Amino acid sequence: DAKTTQPPSMDCAEGRAANLPCNHSTISGNEYVYWYRQIHSQGPQYIIHGLKNNETNEMASLIITEDRKSSTLILPHATLRDTAVYYCIVRGLTNTGNQFYFGTGTSLTVIP
Amino acid sequence: DTGVSQDPRHKITKRGQNVTFRCDPISEHNRLYWYRQTLGQGPEFLTYFQNEAQLEKSRLLSDRFSAERPKGSFSTLEIQRTEQGDSAMYLCASSLEGGGGQPQHFGDGTRLSIL
Repeated sequence: DAKTTQPPSMDCAEGRAANLPCNHSTISGNEYVYWYRQIHSQGPQYIIHGLKNNETNEMASLIITEDRKSSTLILPHATLRDTAVYYCIVRGLTNTGNQFYFGTGTSLTVIP
Repeated sequence: DTGVSQDPRHKITKRGQNVTFRCDPISEHNRLYWYRQTLGQGPEFLTYFQNEAQLEKSRLLSDRFSAERPKGSFSTLEIQRTEQGDSAMYLCASSLEGGGGQPQHFGDGTRLSIL
């Protein structure tokens, strides 16, 4: 699986867009980019995933660069409840299974 | 609630005791995963099942760890002769089968504390 690199922490003002970057320069053609977030004492929550095209759902938007070596998760109007650790994961189908490899993520703090 | 359910949410036990955790996946999901998470780290994969078959178990931390999914529905994770280092959050996730594009959905975990 391709490894990912994320900044350890970020701040964002409440009501503003939060843009969380992720580098995955060794991604291969069949690997998807997934984003999860984890609030203290809860399990990781699925946010969004994509392969090549940009994706949007009710929670966030995912922008993947044309060369697929990096991506950005966008929370359009951050609220205090968006304070969490955000994980970027790159995963494809391999013979050994479908496990996710989490790094240490980005700790996002939304400031009032 | 139709999400992944884990029981118990918290377990405190003395060193040397055996513990067992249960996971009930989302009903139509045939894949089930176990992860462990220690403080300040992301979840670490342990093992996974497709239906009742355990297809990957090389990442189980030692032979004290074992998992079952006897009927392809719920799963149990057992730790025998617990040690202080086993203190962690144990997470279960489930997904549909279907290539690399299926997201995993996680439960809220069982937090294990070894006295």
